[in-house]
Amino acid sequence: DVKVTQSSRYLVKRTGEKVFLECVQDMDHENMFWYRQDPGLGLRLIYFSYDVKMKEKGDIPEGYSVSREKKERFSLILESASTNQTSMYLCASDSEGNSPLHFGNGTRLTVT
Amino acid sequence: RKEVEQDPGPFNVPEGATVAFNCTYSNSASQSFFWYRQDCRKEPKLLMSVYSSGNEDGRFTAQLNRASQYISLLIRDSKLSDSATYLCVVNHGAFYNQGGKLIFGQGTELSVKP
Repeated sequence: DVKVTQSSRYLVKRTGEKVFLECVQDMDHENMFWYRQDPGLGLRLIYFSYDVKMKEKGDIPEGYSVSREKKERFSLILESASTNQTSMYLCASDSEGNSPLHFGNGTRLTVT
Repeated sequence: RKEVEQDPGPFNVPEGATVAFNCTYSNSASQSFFWYRQDCRKEPKLLMSVYSSGNEDGRFTAQLNRASQYISLLIRDSKLSDSATYLCVVNHGAFYNQGGKLIFGQGTELSVKP
């Protein structure tokens, strides 16, 4: 079974803090993704990566950056957290474009 | 028009009922299709892929109609444990770095009552 692990289930941070969300997958998948999910807006893609050190902007990259130094790990960085970044963050991976995504169990981030 | 649209729901059905969800997509070049299930405050989990010929997994049947650009999910003999949000997911292409893109529907909420 594919396992995608996100480092924290719940996080509370203050406005202006730098926040790191970590994600690790154990299936040697090439593609990794960061989404956020908000009520009424569904899942929105923030960034994705199709190879080590490669990254591509998704639909809502503003206020975020990512890092993929190793194939199994994809980090999402909030340089200066803001209250409108309070959300559920979901990491996912897959092996190629037509295969299904496998999600981590999510990080619920609250920025106060 | 949204790229992927689902029945808004919520669907409230009694146990044992049959319920069907539809999902329409706008890009005729879409290549792969999935149904995911998401429980409250949990991550989406793959329920089933949708194949051109239609496919069945126990009480769940998925169908694809490329001509009309929609996919459907049929749940027979609903159980209380089927209560969840069902997400339709459409993949437009094979490679993300060549413009392929995974599009999620907003989800349809199902509530199965005793």
